[in-house]
Amino acid sequence: AQSVTQLDSQVPVFEEAPVELRCNYSSSVSVYLFWYVQYPNQGLQLLLKYLSGSTLVKGINGFEAEFNKSQTSFHLRKPSVHISDTAEYFCAVSAEGYSTLTFGKGTMLLVSP
Amino acid sequence: EPEVTQTPSHQVTQMGQEVILRCVPISNHLYFYWYRQILGQKVEFLVSFYNNEISEKSEIFDDQFSVERPDGSNFTLKIRSTKLEDSAMYFCASSPGTGALNEQYFGPGTRLTVT
Repeated sequence: AQSVTQLDSQVPVFEEAPVELRCNYSSSVSVYLFWYVQYPNQGLQLLLKYLSGSTLVKGINGFEAEFNKSQTSFHLRKPSVHISDTAEYFCAVSAEGYSTLTFGKGTMLLVSP
Repeated sequence: EPEVTQTPSHQVTQMGQEVILRCVPISNHLYFYWYRQILGQKVEFLVSFYNNEISEKSEIFDDQFSVERPDGSNFTLKIRSTKLEDSAMYFCASSPGTGALNEQYFGPGTRLTVT
């Protein structure tokens, strides 16, 4: 079984500042890793995913994440946030070969002017 | 851009009543999923569906739950006798294939409130 921990329930940040949203996972098997974003009144949208290869993954809207196997982490970063990045961000994993996603509790990113 | 739609956006029901949550997946997708998120908790997998049968389900998906693809476009989740603890946001998702190479596209969710 897999589990995902997002320690920060809310991250307030000023516009144009950098941000890091933390995600740690545990699994007894190899996993794929995902970040989803949910804007108000919308569905979950895939930001980026790590399947294999380079541990630095670039996604949409200027976000990137780095897979660190030794620390079982997959933190999401953006060097300069915009007001429009205000949303809830979910980290998720799936076991290799499976579709089922296991999600974290989500982190609300609040960007203020 | 094609998207997954869900109706209603908010459903209020009394304990013990049956509810049906509806989803219209993206038209050429073959795999369908339901997830739920109880307020303040994690998004949890409920069930996946392919070729008119359940392919995987979690321990949450007990006999009170059922899924159906009644026609070529809708995918429904039925809760036979709702309990207070069924109050949650329910997300439908669809994907063109299975496995992590195939992105799951999520709908906006239905908020179910059981009173």
